[in-house]
Amino acid sequence: AAGVIQSPRHLIKEKRETATLKCYPIPRHDTVYWYQQGPGQDPQFLISFYEKMQSDKGSIPDRFSAQQFSDYHSELNMSSLELGDSALYFCASSIWDEKLFFGSGTQLSVL
Amino acid sequence: AQTVTQSQPEMSVQEAETVTLSCTYDTSESDYYLFWYKQPPSRQMILVIRQEAYKQQNATENRFSVNFQKAAKSFSLKISDSQLGDAAMYFCAYRRGATGNQFYFGTGTSLTVIP
Repeated sequence: AAGVIQSPRHLIKEKRETATLKCYPIPRHDTVYWYQQGPGQDPQFLISFYEKMQSDKGSIPDRFSAQQFSDYHSELNMSSLELGDSALYFCASSIWDEKLFFGSGTQLSVL
Repeated sequence: AQTVTQSQPEMSVQEAETVTLSCTYDTSESDYYLFWYKQPPSRQMILVIRQEAYKQQNATENRFSVNFQKAAKSFSLKISDSQLGDAAMYFCAYRRGATGNQFYFGTGTSLTVIP
């Protein structure tokens, strides 16, 4: 069965650089979520999209932005990266009101 | 605001034994969903079990079952016949119903399975 695809799996950036994370939801899923999980932390909600419109917003820094495209894939853009942005970034998808399916995550390391 | 509390940072269980992980939540909503997710060392997030708040019957998935006490806002996970592969971090999660979006996660319980 198709799963949520995230790319890249690993990303190394330097401070003040930019990064773009991509997420391809499960086909026919209409909602995409982004979560950030620091070392030893629980996942923190960043933002979500339903039918390509932002539907909910969490603790996403102003330096970050995200969007969902017409093919339902989503991108998380991160600028002016800081050391504290090093984390595992999960994308997840669902059909409205159903359970969340997570991708394998993108491990971002900011040096 | 919704909060999810897991009061057991670490738990251990002997292989083949049963263990129960606790979760409580706080909400003023009547329509919501509750989940348990498993995160093994690979750090993937895997759905274990799901419960709709309007259902009185406790959800069951093979060796995994929940004890859902709506009035007490409690949602514990019972793992029967524990296996080495059950060793992982377990997160309890809450999501509002029809108009909801965000999943709220607890801080997790690290489960060790002793051979």
